[in-house]
Amino acid sequence: SQQGEEDPQALSIQEGENATMNCSYKTSINNLQWYRQNSGRGLVHLILIRSNEREKHSGRLRVTLDTSKKSSSLLITASRAADTASYFCATRIYQAGTALIFGKGTTLSVSS
Amino acid sequence: DGGITQSPKYLFRKEGQNVTLSCEQNLNHDAMYWYRQDPGQGLRLIYYSQIVNDFQKGDIAEGYSVSREKKESFPLTVTSAQKNPTAFYLCASSSRQGTNYGYTFGSGTRLTVV
Repeated sequence: SQQGEEDPQALSIQEGENATMNCSYKTSINNLQWYRQNSGRGLVHLILIRSNEREKHSGRLRVTLDTSKKSSSLLITASRAADTASYFCATRIYQAGTALIFGKGTTLSVSS
Repeated sequence: DGGITQSPKYLFRKEGQNVTLSCEQNLNHDAMYWYRQDPGQGLRLIYYSQIVNDFQKGDIAEGYSVSREKKESFPLTVTSAQKNPTAFYLCASSSRQGTNYGYTFGSGTRLTVV
C-alpha cells in the first residue's frame, strides 16, 4: 500500500532556482519525513515534521504540513547541482508502530 | 563511526536458489527494516523488527524470510518462492523509542537473477 504520493514525478531547474515538491497521503499520521537518495545509494534523512507542526526549516530546506488536506511540501531554496537526487516523503502512521511508508519520489535535476 | 553495513553490494542469484542479504548496525537501534526498491515504484516494506526475536510482515513479505537473533543483525533471505527478486534492497534502522526520529539507511544490495 502506497501511503504517500509525490508530485511532480520529475523536476528540472537551473542552479539558483527554488525547487518545490509536494506529497499527499491518505491516513492520519504521527509524523512526515523527507529523504534524499542519490543514484544507486541509500536514503538520507533530511527533515521530520510532526503532525502538530505546520512548518519547519533546516538550512535551505523548508517543509510545510497541512493535516486538513493531508499534504506536505518540501522547498529547496537556491538549488545547487549537488541537490540533484530523488526525494521521497515518508509517513509514520499510528497503527504501524515504527514502520515508515514511502512514496514513489520526485526526481530533481539541477543544471549549472 | 556508527552506521549500517549491507553486504554484498552486488549479488547474483540463479533460478531456484536462496540467497541471504546481510544487514548489520552498530547504532544500538532497536528497530530494523527491509525495503525493496524497483524503478518507478519507490520503496516497499518487506519485513520489520522492533525488538530482538520479533518481526512483522510488511506489504510484500511473500517469498522472503528474516531472523532477528541479535540486536545488531537483521538478515534477509530471498527464497526461490520469490518469482521476481531482481531489485535494489535497502536495510534501515531506527530508535524504537524515538518515534520522532528518522531512519538510518545502509547503502543497499543490488540483486540480479541470472
